[in-house]
Amino acid sequence: ETGVTQTPRHLVMGMTNKKSLKCEQHLGHNAMYWYKQSAKKPLELMFVYNFKEQTENNSVPSRFSPECPNSSHLFLHLHTLQPEDSALYLCASSVDREETQYFGPGTRLLVL
Amino acid sequence: QKEVEQNSGPLSVPEGAIASLNCTYSDRVSQSFFWYRQYSGKSPELIMSIYSNGDKEDGRFTAQLNKASQYVSLLIRDSQPSDSATYLCAAWGAGSYQLTFGKGTKLSVIP
Repeated sequence: ETGVTQTPRHLVMGMTNKKSLKCEQHLGHNAMYWYKQSAKKPLELMFVYNFKEQTENNSVPSRFSPECPNSSHLFLHLHTLQPEDSALYLCASSVDREETQYFGPGTRLLVL
Repeated sequence: QKEVEQNSGPLSVPEGAIASLNCTYSDRVSQSFFWYRQYSGKSPELIMSIYSNGDKEDGRFTAQLNKASQYVSLLIRDSQPSDSATYLCAAWGAGSYQLTFGKGTKLSVIP
């Protein structure tokens, strides 16, 4: 596979469930990102990892927990989510922090 | 709060016309600017990046940057129905050290 991949592409979960989103990049990049995209709102940066170290956490609720085991993989662990967390969750990567970001296809999440 | 502003549209242009998309940004020290295209239900894909004042052309697309006015634009010549999408403007903030996106402008190219 090439580029940035994300699984699953669609996810429906109840508020008491625990699930994880996975992102993998095959571009040899060093920085990876999680974004949330809700209707009528700009893309919201959630977390940034650079060389596996978390460098940004934009006041994201603790029910979202990121994990970056290596420069190619990024996870977003979800637990006790709220209906307002329903959105498109996008992973992106870049060579380094200031370079062009390339996006994965996203995970469409619905919280019931 | 660093912001990127775009007219949400929809912007409708006839096929073959020039579509002009505009964006302003608030962070004076922003150095890098990006235009992404996002089709409905899909993820953003990079169209152009621009770092210096002036114009940058790539095929039917021209990005324009005016740092003094804090203004970025994207021109699409010979617009095609396949150009119908939402166009996102983004600015890299040296102060915030992150990429800030606008809400996007929805473009419709009418055959």
